[in-house]
Amino acid sequence: GAVVSQHPSWVICKSGTSVKIECRSLDFQATTMFWYRQFPKQSLMLMATSNEGSKATYEQGVEKDKFLINHASLTLSTLTVTSAHPEDSSFYICSAEGLAEETQYFGPGTRLLVL
Amino acid sequence: GENVGLHLPTLSVQEGDNSIINCAYSNSASDYFIWYKQESGKGPQFIIDIRSNMDKRQGQRVTVLLNKTVKHLSLQIAATQPGDSAVYFCAENKGAPGGGNKLTFGTGTQLKVEL
Repeated sequence: GAVVSQHPSWVICKSGTSVKIECRSLDFQATTMFWYRQFPKQSLMLMATSNEGSKATYEQGVEKDKFLINHASLTLSTLTVTSAHPEDSSFYICSAEGLAEETQYFGPGTRLLVL
Repeated sequence: GENVGLHLPTLSVQEGDNSIINCAYSNSASDYFIWYKQESGKGPQFIIDIRSNMDKRQGQRVTVLLNKTVKHLSLQIAATQPGDSAVYFCAENKGAPGGGNKLTFGTGTQLKVEL
């Protein structure tokens, strides 16, 4: 089946530092990847959509300069939280969709804690 | 605005009973719906999907019903087991700019299975 991985699974960082999260599709090529954020006891909120080789499309209210997304290959997308602050602490989840797929398969998520 | 929401935030059922989780959506133009299961600290797991040209679809122990007239979606789990305890999200599939399928998630229902 379609497997998506994320790395790291959790990260703790100091306020003001930047954190990079990787999302990989392991057994299929992902033409489109999505990044979500989920706060405790809440639903998933789409942050951005990225297509391989092109700029990401950000949802309203999501700062593109703060959440940098790169989708350089068909199996890898990265999300960099720049100058992280405590309010950025959340569960970040990616999903991937391939040419042969009509739904999204999700990664296991990355727990970010900013001190 | 567009919204995909659930009626019940928490559902408690006895092991072996059937569970019914409901979802309301407001975008009548959506043509594809998905149910996801999310266990604590993990990413969403695909359960079952349904297109708008269908009103019922069955999987292993799960059935999804779609009522387009009242914009209602439900997930039925037969013979609920302790391992079914999780948060269940419905998601509405809409097209994303440049391709891909943009998902809007409902608020989620916590299913608790009591022994």
